[in-house]
Amino acid sequence: GENVGLHLPTLSVQEGDNSIINCAYSNSASDYFIWYKQESGKGPQFIIDIRSNMDKRQGQRVTVLLNKTVKHLSLQIAATQPGDSAVYFCAFTGGYNKLIFGAGTRLAVHP
Amino acid sequence: EPEVTQTPSHQVTQMGQEVILRCVPISNHLYFYWYRQILGQKVEFLVSFYNNEISEKSEIFDDQFSVERPDGSNFTLKIRSTKLEDSAMYFCASSETGAEEAFFGQGTRLTVV
Repeated sequence: GENVGLHLPTLSVQEGDNSIINCAYSNSASDYFIWYKQESGKGPQFIIDIRSNMDKRQGQRVTVLLNKTVKHLSLQIAATQPGDSAVYFCAFTGGYNKLIFGAGTRLAVHP
Repeated sequence: EPEVTQTPSHQVTQMGQEVILRCVPISNHLYFYWYRQILGQKVEFLVSFYNNEISEKSEIFDDQFSVERPDGSNFTLKIRSTKLEDSAMYFCASSETGAEEAFFGQGTRLTVV
């Protein structure tokens, strides 16, 4: 069935360190994956996406890795900054026209 | 930068009352969505809307919910008889091409008392 889950509910890192947020999914038919950032009191904000025909995609300070063999998605944030503190959700398109979200990981960046 | 706007930001209502949550999608977008997020939980899909009709809805979206695009700019979610468990953040989203490139609004916090 459709299921997207996260390994770690909370991740604490030191400013300047790299962060890795993980996500597992169960629907092998999924072909598009997205990472969203949600700051307190705000809506989800698109960070980066990846299609199933790729295994890696890079943006500014962020990299998404997709391992279809084990149905695993990760978000890497380089040189984490205090402004990166937020809840991060993975999501994938499910059905005809909707997103299925994971449970979320809270990233706390300490100076 | 264009954005999805939602009003009100916070709505408090008595159980059993009707509420209407309002959204102004990005102007050239054709796909519209409502999601909700119960406090501390993940974002859940409610309904998608395209070409003036519902294209998909979740099991959460039962008969007490309805959506409407009353004019060229607004997209509303109506909850007919609110229940305590309807308390949540409700997010509107819109997209030019489909769910893959949806932009989310800031949300309306609905509190049912």
